[in-house]
Amino acid sequence: SQQGEEDPQALSIQEGENATMNCSYKTSINNLQWYRQNSGRGLVHLILIRSNEREKHSGRLRVTLDTSKKSSSLLITASRAADTASYFCATDASRQNFVFGPGTRLSVLP
Amino acid sequence: DGGITQSPKYLFRKEGQNVTLSCEQNLNHDAMYWYRQDPGQGLRLIYYSQIVNDFQKGDIAEGYSVSREKKESFPLTVTSAQKNPTAFYLCASSPTGGGSSYYEQYFGPGTRLTVT
Repeated sequence: SQQGEEDPQALSIQEGENATMNCSYKTSINNLQWYRQNSGRGLVHLILIRSNEREKHSGRLRVTLDTSKKSSSLLITASRAADTASYFCATDASRQNFVFGPGTRLSVLP
Repeated sequence: DGGITQSPKYLFRKEGQNVTLSCEQNLNHDAMYWYRQDPGQGLRLIYYSQIVNDFQKGDIAEGYSVSREKKESFPLTVTSAQKNPTAFYLCASSPTGGGSSYYEQYFGPGTRLTVT
């Protein structure tokens, strides 16, 4: 099973609504990262949250981390059609590389 | 214009042929990575390299080979031993220092390989 798993697998919302996706992991981490992937493209880094941080903001993005529950959430506020993409969490399986979850496919409908 | 380039964007090969995917970066990053992505799936690590002339196997290295002769370049060869090579291949790089997992990864645009 994967170190990080996103939930839900797919999410459809209307433009202007908020989108929340979650990531659960199994072993302790040093940090957790969120990435976005537009269809057929490479991944783009969104935000990194360290294990001693509980919340982090970047523009319309808010990430929380609960190490006691081994989970993180990504909130996108006031979503736009351009936010349509797949979102992945990545946890550091070791200090040298990352493990990516299967992703959440977000569709923002105009 | 800094970044990571992968070429070609689409690649078609016949079964039984080896094929090499190119990955070049001008970000002066020490670490480079190769991932494989299947439809609707996450990324799986094939190989990674923390420094020139050194590389490590990832989770699915069988049927693949890499080299790291230059800091800027990390080509991936998909050999005929890879049972199911058709996939989307992504290359990434990151700085190191204190462990590369503390730094974001920068991804190339990917190469879609189809083997028939």
